[in-house]
Amino acid sequence: AQSVAQPEDQVNVAEGNPLTVKCTYSVSGNPYLFWYVQYPNRGLQFLLKYITGDNLVKGSYGFEAEFNKSQTSFHLKKPSALVSDSALYFCAVRDLSEAGSYQLTFGKGTKLSVIP
Amino acid sequence: EAGVTQFPSHSVIEKGQTVTLRCDPISGHDNLYWYRRVMGKEIKFLLHFVKESKQDESGMPNNRFLAERTGGTYSTLKVQPAELEDSGVYFCASSYSTGISYEQYFGPGTRLTVT
Repeated sequence: AQSVAQPEDQVNVAEGNPLTVKCTYSVSGNPYLFWYVQYPNRGLQFLLKYITGDNLVKGSYGFEAEFNKSQTSFHLKKPSALVSDSALYFCAVRDLSEAGSYQLTFGKGTKLSVIP
Repeated sequence: EAGVTQFPSHSVIEKGQTVTLRCDPISGHDNLYWYRRVMGKEIKFLLHFVKESKQDESGMPNNRFLAERTGGTYSTLKVQPAELEDSGVYFCASSYSTGISYEQYFGPGTRLTVT
């Protein structure tokens, strides 16, 4: 069965500094990886995905993620953090269940706090 | 286009009562998913509809949970009778296709508190 780990419950970063939110995965076969963000009192918003191709994936709001097959990682990055980036970030892997459903398996989430 | 909507946003009920959550997917999305996040833990898959049919309900915790999607539009998730461990945030998501590259669009969730 596939799994996703987000080793940090919380990440604090100063505004303007680069940020990284870590994610590692374990899947059989090719990984299909996603990042979602949840702002307070809002639903999960899709940020970016890796399906195939270039290991550096660019997404919404200036975020990007680097797929590293050898390290089984898919870390989320942004060159310069904004206070408005403060939110809960979820990494997810998508796989085909025995019943034929492409369901998402999520990590526990990482709370990002950007300090002014 | 309008996003995925869920109702109610928050529900507080007593143990043993019944609660029904509703999800309206994005118009034209045949695929509808339910997920649940128990406090501090991972978001877990519950089930997947394709139109009005259940494609996969392997994540449903037990037979106290009943999901329906009559007519292939909105879906309801009923919990009867509710237990304390059912507390959490219930998310609904929809997607246009079942293809692996299609992202799922999530609603704001329903926070269920069972006391």
